[in-house]
Amino acid sequence: GDSVTQMEGPVTLSEEAFLTINCTYTATGYPSLFWYVQYPGEGLQLLLKATKADDKGSNKGFEATYRKETTSFHLEKGSVQVSDSAVYFCALSDLTNAGKSTFGDGTTLTVKP
Amino acid sequence: EPEVTQTPSHQVTQMGQEVILRCVPISNHLYFYWYRQILGQKVEFLVSFYNNEISEKSEIFDDQFSVERPDGSNFTLKIRSTKLEDSAMYFCASTLNYRDTEAFFGQGTRLTVV
Repeated sequence: GDSVTQMEGPVTLSEEAFLTINCTYTATGYPSLFWYVQYPGEGLQLLLKATKADDKGSNKGFEATYRKETTSFHLEKGSVQVSDSAVYFCALSDLTNAGKSTFGDGTTLTVKP
Repeated sequence: EPEVTQTPSHQVTQMGQEVILRCVPISNHLYFYWYRQILGQKVEFLVSFYNNEISEKSEIFDDQFSVERPDGSNFTLKIRSTKLEDSAMYFCASTLNYRDTEAFFGQGTRLTVV
């Protein structure tokens, strides 16, 4: 079945540092890929998405590129802020049931001033 | 911007009691979902629902769970006899169609079973 593997956390960075959170997936075909963010005590928010190979999703300074050849969708941000502290989930959607997503374990990011 | 709303935001219930979690999906969406997130763990798919019937369910969604769309706006998840291990955040989501790649999630209901 489908699966998503995220880099183990937690990740602690200083403000303005560069962020990379690795995500690789296993799926049949070419699913859509997502990054969700969950701030403390809140629900899931879609951060960005990519629907086909080589697509780059971007939002709020975060970027991720759909790499078919490496089955990866790594999240990057050039300069993190304290307000970026949250849990980040990589996910993929089922090809025949698009609202059914498989999530990674989540990576907790803490940004210190 | 349209959004999925869930009520209540937090529910505490005694073990063995029935609970109903409520969701109002986006009004023109046709596919509805429930997910579960046990504290500190990943988000897991429970069930998808279309045209008044379950279209897919996971192994987690056993006989103690049921879903219903009682009217034109609400989508509910019922847990018949809660167990301690049902304590989790439950998320509702909806999509416009089965190929719509973006599911819109609600803010979640935190269920605590004591």
